[in-house]
This record gives sequence, C-alpha cells and structure tokens, in this order.
Amino acid sequence: GQQLNQSPQSMFIQEGEDVSMNCTSSSIFNTWLWYKQDPGEGPVLLIALYKAGELTSNGRLTAQFGITRKDSFLNISASIPSDVGIYFCAGRRLSSNTGKLIFGQGTTLQVKP
Amino acid sequence: GAVVSQHPSRVICKSGTSVKIECRSLDFQATTMFWYRQFPKQSLMLMATSNEGSKATYEQGVEKDKFLINHASLTLSTLTVTSAHPEDSSFYICSARPGDYNSPLHFGNGTRLTVT
Repeated sequence: GQQLNQSPQSMFIQEGEDVSMNCTSSSIFNTWLWYKQDPGEGPVLLIALYKAGELTSNGRLTAQFGITRKDSFLNISASIPSDVGIYFCAGRRLSSNTGKLIFGQGTTLQVKP
Repeated sequence: GAVVSQHPSRVICKSGTSVKIECRSLDFQATTMFWYRQFPKQSLMLMATSNEGSKATYEQGVEKDKFLINHASLTLSTLTVTSAHPEDSSFYICSARPGDYNSPLHFGNGTRLTVT
C-alpha cells in the first residue's frame, strides 16, 4: 500500500541533542499524526495536527503541519534516553472518505547517554 | 481516555491451527476498528477495516478467508488467523478511534504470533 516518505530512516544521537524528522507526500493531507512505538508494543499517539501551518507542542516535542499540506515535521528537544524508539508519521489524504491512515516507514532513534 | 486493549499479547501455535485475537475499546465505542500487520523493522500495513454490524473491508492482497474479522459489538473486534502457517508469524496490531473519521487512531499493544 501507499506509504509516506519519512526521513531520516535512523538517527544515533547524544543525550541532550535536538532531533528533527519529517514526512512528505505527493498527495494533500487533512490530518497528520505522529506516533512513537517501543519494542513489542503498539504505537502511542504523540501529536495530532489538523490545519495547514498548525504548530503543536507536547512537552519537548513539537510538530508542524506543512503549509502545502503535503508534509509535516517532528522535533524533539534536549533528547533523553527514554526517547529511544521508532517514530512514525501518519496521515489522512484529503480525498479519503474512510479515514484510513497511511504510515511513514518510521525513524529509529537511538540516544547515547 | 481512549484505551484500546488487545489480547493475547503473545501466542505460539502449531501450523494448521487457528488463532483468535481480540481487540476491545475500553472507554469508548468504536463502530470502526482497524487491523494492522507489522514485520520486523518495518512500518504498519493495514490489513482490513472492521465495521460493526457489517462485513469487514480488506486491503488488496489480504485473504479474507484467511484472516476472519468479526465486529460483533461497539467495543469488540476479533481477528482469527485460520489454518496458520509459519509465514503468518508476525506482529498484529489493532486500532480504533473515539470520534469521527478524522480523530486519531489509538492502538492496542499488539499480538506477537509465532506459528511453528
């Protein structure tokens, strides 16, 4: 099925550093969601975005819905070891009438203490 | 709020047997639930959309006779993997949304299926 283009695929950073990852699509989306998945568990919702240009924060996490409605980014500031995991972007196409989510390939984050 | 519970979390079965996985929305009603499959180090792939009171909608390439879905109530959907084979071994995750189709999906904790 269709997937979003998410990058980078993986990151290995030092504790305290900031992190940025993004997703792009060739289609216009009306919803962007960011999830984190820990090993052996289901994804947990981090941030939901519904309007172009919307900038939303959740603690050290900040995400934005791109103006073109074809992209979104997630920033993590001052990373800590528990930020380790796989981050997925997900979105709904404007043309969808089922609410089906399309997922990015994921960004694996590793944080060195 | 918006808790989705999935059971079992882990199951090992012999080839040829069937396995049932349950997905419950604990604090909200869900007319629609979604079943995903995830291979190691890969993203989530939608298998089917479970609709309360009607037939499930399957994604292209997913065998509906192999993966039986029943959405008998507004809080419970089940996925039965029939005549399981080793290639069915995977991580299966269900999800549901507490509001309209624009509301975020909330996921269960997944079921690790191993077929020997």
